This record gives sequence, structure tokens and C-alpha cells, in this order.
Amino acid sequence: DAMVIQNPRYQVTQFGKPVTLSCSQTLNHNVMYWYQQKSSQAPKLLFHYYDKDFNNEADTPDNFQSRRPNTSFCFLDIRSPGLGDAAMYLCATSRQTSGGTDTQYFGPGTRLTVL
Amino acid sequence: GENVEQHPSTLSVQEGDSAVIKCTYSDSASNYFPWYKQELGKGPQLIIDIRSNVGEKKDQRIAVTLNKTAKHFSLHITETQPEDSAVYFCAALTVNTDKLIFGTGTRLQVFP
Repeated sequence: DAMVIQNPRYQVTQFGKPVTLSCSQTLNHNVMYWYQQKSSQAPKLLFHYYDKDFNNEADTPDNFQSRRPNTSFCFLDIRSPGLGDAAMYLCATSRQTSGGTDTQYFGPGTRLTVL
Repeated sequence: GENVEQHPSTLSVQEGDSAVIKCTYSDSASNYFPWYKQELGKGPQLIIDIRSNVGEKKDQRIAVTLNKTAKHFSLHITETQPEDSAVYFCAALTVNTDKLIFGTGTRLQVFP
């Protein structure tokens, strides 16, 4: 089935040790998003790509970076994780239409723990 | 900025009863309204959506209504089952920014 895949599902890292989270999709959608979700809160958009066009949210810390080498893959890099970066990280995709963007489909998430 | 309010924050119902969750949005240009169900430790799953040219949409036990004039939309779940227990998020797509604005979520508990 076409879907959004995230690896790993659980990631443990040490304070300050760089970590990379991975997302892939078989939907052939040209828009990909990264969200951060903390306990009992709604997902918070970090950034998104229209194809290779990167769009950063104004309040996303510089500590968070992203790469999209091709249509199918997108990576979230956290350069120096702090305790406050422990969260669920969600990848989502959507199709860009003439009127904007369409439905967003989410992956299962990666739960990041920072020790 | 754009805002989506969601109520209630928690909802407990007996199995078989109906559940209603309500959302209000601020951006009159919003034209797409999805509802997501999120189970513990999982990603949000789209369960139903509605576009601004439609007033109501139904899919088996789930229905969504939209009142564009009042800028609010609601999720209705009938004949609730324990497996409906989850956190439900409403969202509105802001046309100018192509971003989903999420509500704060409703934790639904269905007791057998």
C-alpha cells in the first residue's frame, strides 16, 4: 500500500549528540512536512518542502535542519539535541494542486528521547 | 493569526452513545477541514474531511458538518465503540499559507 514511512520508530540520543530522522513516501507527493508533537499537544509545523523548495517556519530553532534529496525521501537533522527536543516527530505529505495543497497524510512518527 | 478552537478537551461516553466534537476557525478564507484520529504512540490518521462547498459529509458512523457563516465545523460519531477511544484533532487549511492549523485536540474515552 502507498504510505508514509518513518525510521526509526524510536530514537534515543544523548544531550548534544546529532541525530537524523528519516521519512520516505510512496505516494509520489511533491509536498513533505516535518512536525514536532509534544505530549498532549497538537502537531507543530517545523518546515516543509514544495519539491526542493524549502520553507522554514519563523519560530523553528536553527538547531533543526532538513534535507530532501529526492521526491521520496526527507530527513530531519537535529544538530545538538537538548532535553526540550524530546518529542514525537511526524512526517506528512500532500499533493500540491492549482488551488494550494491537498490532504496531508501522516507517517507513524519517531519518538525521540534525549538523555 | 489564524486560530482553530476545539471543544471539549476531554469527552467520556458510554459505548453505543454518540459523541460530538466542535471546532471554530478564524480565517474566513479557509476552505478545507480534515479530522484526524491519533491513537497513543501513533501518527494522526485522517478519518474524514470536508471542503467549503459542502455542508455535510458522512462515512458510516462518522459525519462532519460545516457552517461557513458561523465558521464552525463539528465531528459526529454515532454508536461509539471502545476502539473509537483516541485523541481527535480538527484542522483548517489556510489558503494563503497552505498550512494546516490544528485545534488543541479532544481526548475521547468510550467506556464499555
